[in-house]
Amino acid sequence: EDQVTQSPEALRLQEGESSSLNCSYTVSGLRGLFWYRQDPGKGPEFLFTLYSAGEEKEKERLKATLTKKESFLHITAPKPEDSATYLCAVQGPETNNNDMRFGAGTRLTVKP
Amino acid sequence: EPEVTQTPSHQVTQMGQEVILRCVPISNHLYFYWYRQILGQKVEFLVSFYNNEISEKSEIFDDQFSVERPDGSNFTLKIRSTKLEDSAMYFCASSVGLDNEQFFGPGTRLTVL
Repeated sequence: EDQVTQSPEALRLQEGESSSLNCSYTVSGLRGLFWYRQDPGKGPEFLFTLYSAGEEKEKERLKATLTKKESFLHITAPKPEDSATYLCAVQGPETNNNDMRFGAGTRLTVKP
Repeated sequence: EPEVTQTPSHQVTQMGQEVILRCVPISNHLYFYWYRQILGQKVEFLVSFYNNEISEKSEIFDDQFSVERPDGSNFTLKIRSTKLEDSAMYFCASSVGLDNEQFFGPGTRLTVL
């Protein structure tokens, strides 16, 4: 059973068109939820860590929020350079101590 | 800004050969990890390493795999006898602590022919 499900799989936006990406998780006793950005052929680039429901983090045009079952990555007025795959990952008791369980990602394309 | 580095960026090998992938984690980090990503698939955990020993490993990390920290800076992943299905991007990551964010390197693309 997938512990991390991301939706949509792909999202195409016009520049300036705000939207949200979803990450739902089934891990109980969440120890941390992480958002990463991944460009083609590159390693995941860390964006945010969220530890408890109600927590929010912001960075430039991105804002991440967390509830007990899901996290949202809100993108406000995106630019073409925001095009990338956005990955969500969780740590919890079922993921043992150290490993992060990744979702399949949302591939975001922002057209000028 | 400190970053995780990996070498080589691309490794091509014949099936059955041994490969060693190298990583230099961020200098003050204590936890080190290897992940892999088969083309078009999810990033998958392989192994974590702390205090000079493996702390966790996944079912993917079988006897063909080993990790080592041969000196104070390098962290290596060895695959003893590569198989076609080992072809993937291999990412090294490091973190300050157990529940802290992990910082990833740029990856090594391994191609097994």
